[in-house]
Amino acid sequence: GAVVSQHPSWVICKSGTSVKIECRSLDFQATTMFWYRQFPKQSLMLMATSNEGSKATYEQGVEKDKFLINHASLTLSTLTVTSAHPEDSSFYICSARLSQGNQPQHFGDGTRLSIL
Amino acid sequence: AQKVTQAQTEISVVEKEDVTLDCVYETRDTTYYLFWYKQPPSGELVFLIRRNSFDEQNEISGRYSWNFQKSTSSFNFTITASQVVDSAVYFCALGPGGGGADGLTFGKGTHLIIQP
Repeated sequence: GAVVSQHPSWVICKSGTSVKIECRSLDFQATTMFWYRQFPKQSLMLMATSNEGSKATYEQGVEKDKFLINHASLTLSTLTVTSAHPEDSSFYICSARLSQGNQPQHFGDGTRLSIL
Repeated sequence: AQKVTQAQTEISVVEKEDVTLDCVYETRDTTYYLFWYKQPPSGELVFLIRRNSFDEQNEISGRYSWNFQKSTSSFNFTITASQVVDSAVYFCALGPGGGGADGLTFGKGTHLIIQP
């Protein structure tokens, strides 16, 4: 149980394109989802906390107009990288928590984004 | 502020050797969780363990064992009789207790190389 699906797993696109990444909790409801970013050979850094039905909370230094987050349902959060540039190339990974109780986060398999 | 330090950037051992990965954390929270994740070259995060701050019992799972020392704020991970398949980057992470909705704080990771 507690499977998180992330799509796409790999995307390559031209500079200036907007890219949408989906994070789905397949067999549980997640009030809260998290988006992390990982540069090559670096640690995972929390970008934002996505709450169902409300605005996302962004970490300091993360541009909310650049990284649009939508959490319209209890099983889906999306991250849109708007007008992507090469410096946005990274590994993006989401996680989700069960709504009830003190449950751990479950991670998706990540999305490798390459901007040419 | 929360902080996780994994001082060992890279460790290389020969197969069948025992190896310990260090993790030191800082937090002002009285209740928190500690995690270890494995990240193979494919990129996904594999959950290994979650430990509550109130539970200082050491844990053993097969060849894996964890030593939680609250007095020294450490949560070290030992692999006994290492195998080539253990090669990966291992992350230690710190998360809120009490059902908080905050993301995890990750260490920089330790790249473990098991040579045949």
